[in-house]
Amino acid sequence: EAGVAQSPRYKIIEKRQSVAFWCNPISGHATLYWYQQILGQGPKLLIQFQNNGVVDDSQLPKDRFSAERLKGVDSTLKIQPAKLEDSAVYLCASSRTGTGVLNTEAFFGQGTRLTVV
Amino acid sequence: ILNVEQSPQSLHVQEGDSTNFTCSFPSSNFYALHWYRWETAKSPEALFVMTLNGDEKKKGRISATLNTKEGYSYLYIKGSQPEDSATYLCAPTGNQFYFGTGTSLTVIP
Repeated sequence: EAGVAQSPRYKIIEKRQSVAFWCNPISGHATLYWYQQILGQGPKLLIQFQNNGVVDDSQLPKDRFSAERLKGVDSTLKIQPAKLEDSAVYLCASSRTGTGVLNTEAFFGQGTRLTVV
Repeated sequence: ILNVEQSPQSLHVQEGDSTNFTCSFPSSNFYALHWYRWETAKSPEALFVMTLNGDEKKKGRISATLNTKEGYSYLYIKGSQPEDSATYLCAPTGNQFYFGTGTSLTVIP
């Protein structure tokens, strides 16, 4: 089966500009996650969708970050305006069910490396 | 939010050496423990999912154990090879995946 697709792979923008990332999860996976991984740290969950509903966005900086998952399939993550500290790898992952189900495995995309200058 | 600690943060070993890393996590609210392997410029790849206290999983030269009562898991690599060089992430799950900071392994030929 096809894996999780993300684009772009790399993005360099100036601070205060806007940027958007796209994710296409594995077909049939109900749960979609966006993670931010800053160098030297573990991936931090930004937002978790179950189908097209938000399960958890407690760590999403809502003043500048937004995400949507229209029709419960593809998802976009937007940053507006970007700050220097947003430089990170943004990972999208999907799983067949939510994490409350034992043995749920998340499948990751290759990530988007964002550099804000 | 779970506090997940992994140690060591980075590790350099010679080819052929065996090595192990530790993942520590709060033992309450535990569902499962995932280990992922993340090579540079690739997607994190699932290695193991463990749920029961005392679980031991093995895949080739890599194995993992789980102690849910004391809240830790060990990952072992026997006879390290250069292709094992990667960051190894553990993620206990409660309501979501909580990733540790990872252990960066470099195997020197």
